[in-house]
Amino acid sequence: EAGVAQSPRYKIIEKRQSVAFWCNPISGHATLYWYQQILGQGPKLLIQFQNNGVVDDSQLPKDRFSAERLKGVDSTLKIQPAKLEDSAVYLCASSPRGANTGELFFGEGSRLTVL
Amino acid sequence: DQQVKQNSPSLSVQEGRISILNCDYTNSMFDYFLWYKKYPAEGPTFLISISSIKDKNEDGRFTVFLNKSAKHLSLHIVPSQPGDSAVYFCAASTGTASKLTFGTGTRLQVTL
Repeated sequence: EAGVAQSPRYKIIEKRQSVAFWCNPISGHATLYWYQQILGQGPKLLIQFQNNGVVDDSQLPKDRFSAERLKGVDSTLKIQPAKLEDSAVYLCASSPRGANTGELFFGEGSRLTVL
Repeated sequence: DQQVKQNSPSLSVQEGRISILNCDYTNSMFDYFLWYKKYPAEGPTFLISISSIKDKNEDGRFTVFLNKSAKHLSLHIVPSQPGDSAVYFCAASTGTASKLTFGTGTRLQVTL
């Protein structure tokens, strides 16, 4: 079974530039999550999708971050304009519909450096 | 407000000995707890979980203990192996389908 795919793995940009990250969850997984992990901290949920609908985006900085999952499969997370404090690893995770284990399957992450 | 805390940033244990990783939480609504393991340049992988209706869950060398009155859980690894060297994250949720709140992680190093 293929895991969660993310790209790009690494991205370096200057502040005020824009960046987009892509995620393809495990086939059949209805729920998709984007987490932000800043160095030395645990992952923090940015947004959760159930199919193509948003379940929770309470911690997404909506003035600069946006995410979509138009067809209920893959997803894109965009940052525009980027700030220095956005430097982090952006982790995508998925879980099956109706899963009652709470287990999330994570991708390898996309590391963003903002200069 | 850090609702899930892992107060030990790092831990070093000899191979074959027991590793004990600790986690404290403040939100009394949390009722499901998980441990994830993370190797460098990889995403976290699920290790073991426990529901608040239990006080212990065991899976091979890994056991998680939950003390609800103290709002404390711990992960025991016995015996520890060099391949266990990784960062371990504690996570909690209010129900199995809700979002996970992670701790800051503990880096475990198992030495020969």
